[in-house]
Amino acid sequence: SQQGEEDPQALSIQEGENATMNCSYKTSINNLQWYRQNSGRGLVHLILIRSNEREKHSGRLRVTLDTSKKSSSLLITASRAADTASYFCAPSGAGSYQLTFGKGTKLSVIP
Amino acid sequence: DAGVIQSPRHEVTEMGQEVTLRCKPISGHNSLFWYRQTMMRGLELLIYFNNNVPIDDSGMPEDRFSAKMPNASFSTLKIQPSEPRDSAVYFCASSPRTGVGGIYGYTFGSGTRLTVV
Repeated sequence: SQQGEEDPQALSIQEGENATMNCSYKTSINNLQWYRQNSGRGLVHLILIRSNEREKHSGRLRVTLDTSKKSSSLLITASRAADTASYFCAPSGAGSYQLTFGKGTKLSVIP
Repeated sequence: DAGVIQSPRHEVTEMGQEVTLRCKPISGHNSLFWYRQTMMRGLELLIYFNNNVPIDDSGMPEDRFSAKMPNASFSTLKIQPSEPRDSAVYFCASSPRTGVGGIYGYTFGSGTRLTVV
């Protein structure tokens, strides 16, 4: 399994603004998942994008994937204070049976 | 479904004592994972079970750590003897299929915060 690297490590924005965080990985993947972790809680699965997809939407979330650059981005539009959390990406290659996680991006949305 | 259930939520123990953490995965999920999270090291995968069988325990830090899954609805992570550096939040996660969980990914429990003094 491989670990994604999230960037930036921390991000602070005002409520209503958009938040963009990025993920880079090293080897080819079958899919990439994004997770959210609120303080003191377990990770929550947000969205999965497959290697043959370039963009995917879920509510206020938009995920893009560029396999040529081995990178993905997560955009949260019209952010809310409740979006304050850490966000992790998890790339997965063929035959992967486990996910490993990086340090994540810590997002703070200021009311 | 109540989700992945972990107990206890908090555990404070003295160095040298045995600690047992418990996990009940979501019914029907056949993969179970134990992770440990600290500020310094982030999230570390400790062990992975598939259909109750340990598949990969290469992340278990030392022989002091052991994990079991006697049936599809219960798993334990035991530390004996515990040390202060074991202090961390321990998460259990399950997924409905072998591998990385398909479009639904992993479902995590709320974790057990372990403090060893």
